Amino acid sequence: EPEVTQTPSHQVTQMGQEVILRCVPISNHLYFYWYRQILGQKVEFLVSFYNNEISEKSEIFDDQFSVERPDGSNFTLKIRSTKLEDSAMYFCAGGTSSYEQYFGPGTRLTVT
Amino acid sequence: GDSVTQMEGPVTLSEEAFLTINCTYTATGYPSLFWYVQYPGEGLQLLLKATKADDKGSNKGFEATYRKETTSFHLEKGSVQVSDSAVYFCALYIKAAGNKLTFGGGTRVLVKP
Repeated sequence: EPEVTQTPSHQVTQMGQEVILRCVPISNHLYFYWYRQILGQKVEFLVSFYNNEISEKSEIFDDQFSVERPDGSNFTLKIRSTKLEDSAMYFCAGGTSSYEQYFGPGTRLTVT
Repeated sequence: GDSVTQMEGPVTLSEEAFLTINCTYTATGYPSLFWYVQYPGEGLQLLLKATKADDKGSNKGFEATYRKETTSFHLEKGSVQVSDSAVYFCALYIKAAGNKLTFGGGTRVLVKP
């Protein structure tokens, strides 16, 4: 059974550096999402992406964040200048409908 | 705003015990409800869902019934196994509120042999 994959599994970066988190959704997915979970806190919505554009974003998703689906397969989340508070587990999700979402295993981002 | 509240864990059980994880929600519209499970070292897996009142979602021996009158979606399993040890997340989705899931805080379940 196909699965959503994410790379890397763990990323360590210094404050102020740019990071790109990568996701490969299942091939027939049309809707794509990023969520994050700060340690000990709830899973929080960041952004949804449909038809090659952002359809919804949360207050967390400020100008430091961007998403792309450059080649029709990979779906990336870029953080331009990381802060300590960006340390979290980042989950990619996808689905053929907007409400049924299938998640990847996550990327743990540690900002030092 | 919309929110989901789950019972805090960890919940520790013996094998073959009955499991209940409480989940209640507040929502401005008519939500679809979900349970996700996260096994150690893995991502969130959709366990079951219900899209309207009185629907029962079921999968892998787990069940949850959408109770509109009590705004609840409690997860139950009659006889747990060690392999059910995981973190369980309740979530809601309202299309009119944007294409996003709103999650509860998660409940860690530990099943001992």
